[in-house]
Amino acid sequence: GAVVSQHPSWVICKSGTSVKIECRSLDFQATTMFWYRQFPKQSLMLMATSNEGSKATYEQGVEKDKFLINHASLTLSTLTVTSAHPEDSSFYICSAVPEQLSLLYEQYFGPGTRLTVT
Amino acid sequence: ILNVEQSPQSLHVQEGDSTNFTCSFPSSNFYALHWYRWETAKSPEALFVMTLNGDEKKKGRISATLNTKEGYSYLYIKGSQPEDSATYLCAFCTGGFKTIFGAGTRLFVKA
Repeated sequence: GAVVSQHPSWVICKSGTSVKIECRSLDFQATTMFWYRQFPKQSLMLMATSNEGSKATYEQGVEKDKFLINHASLTLSTLTVTSAHPEDSSFYICSAVPEQLSLLYEQYFGPGTRLTVT
Repeated sequence: ILNVEQSPQSLHVQEGDSTNFTCSFPSSNFYALHWYRWETAKSPEALFVMTLNGDEKKKGRISATLNTKEGYSYLYIKGSQPEDSATYLCAFCTGGFKTIFGAGTRLFVKA
């Protein structure tokens, strides 16, 4: 149980285009989902916390107009990278928590999306 | 700035060796510490959630200890097997509901 899928697993896009990444909890309802970004040999950096039915909470330094997050249902959150540029190339990974936000619960991760902007 | 350090960055061991690595975190505002195992091309999977100073958790050949006063946790693997090859992440959770990940220790177990 507690499977999270992420789509696509990799994507290559041209500079200036937008890319949407989906994160789905397959067998549980996720009131809270997290979006992370990872650069090579670095740690997972939290970008934003997404709560179903409300606006996402962005971490300091993350542009909310550039990284649009929508958590429209209890099983789906999307991250849209708008007007992508080469510096947005990175590994993006989501996670979900099945209960109300509590950091005593483990996070269930998707497999990640590798974004390359040319 | 809260920082979580993991060492070593990578580790190569022979099958059957026992090994351990470290996660260092701030000793203040501690709420919980998580260990995750992340195999290549798969999703990170939770190993342990630790909350109390002196906690020791065990799952099969893998165990972990926690010292919140000095700000470190050790992960031990007894009798390493090739299938243990993965990146091991620790995540420090603060009372302000922030989770900060370390960069991970990449373990390679050679048969």
